[in-house]
Amino acid sequence: AQSVAQPEDQVNVAEGNPLTVKCTYSVSGNPYLFWYVQYPNRGLQFLLKYITGDNLVKGSYGFEAEFNKSQTSFHLKKPSALVSDSALYFCAVRDVYGNNRLAFGKGNQVVVIP
Amino acid sequence: EAGVAQSPRYKIIEKRQSVAFWCNPISGHATLYWYQQILGQGPKLLIQFQNNGVVDDSQLPKDRFSAERLKGVDSTLKIQPAKLEDSAVYLCASSPGLASYEQYFGPGTRLTVT
Repeated sequence: AQSVAQPEDQVNVAEGNPLTVKCTYSVSGNPYLFWYVQYPNRGLQFLLKYITGDNLVKGSYGFEAEFNKSQTSFHLKKPSALVSDSALYFCAVRDVYGNNRLAFGKGNQVVVIP
Repeated sequence: EAGVAQSPRYKIIEKRQSVAFWCNPISGHATLYWYQQILGQGPKLLIQFQNNGVVDDSQLPKDRFSAERLKGVDSTLKIQPAKLEDSAVYLCASSPGLASYEQYFGPGTRLTVT
């Protein structure tokens, strides 16, 4: 089955510093990868996706992600973190063998310290 | 455009009671999803509808969970009887169609079973 792993539970970063949230994937065939963000008491919001093409994908709110096939990774990045980026971040892969359902990682809590 | 609506936002019930959640997807979206998000985990797909037909319910505990989307618009998810381990946030999402990459999530219903 297709799956993703988010190895860290919480990521702490100072405001203005670069932010990286890690994700590795395990798939058969070409991966369809996604990042979602969840703010307190709100539903998940789509940030970006990788389907094909350039390995560097740009998304909402200044976020980008780098697809690395050799390392089977899809890390989320932001050059300069804001306090408002504090939220729960989920990596997901589309399970093309399972009716295209999304398989989510466990999530990473990001805390941006003022 | 209006987002995905869910109600109630919060529900507290005792074990063995029944409960129902309602979801109204974005207008025109043919595909509707119900997810269960247990604290500390990523969302897990329970059931997926295409219009009023079930596409995937392989991860739905059918002995106690049921869902319907009779007219291909609104959907209801029911739990009867509830168990302590059903305590979670239940998320509804919709997308224009099965081939769509992006899913739009509602705010969720937080269920506490005591």
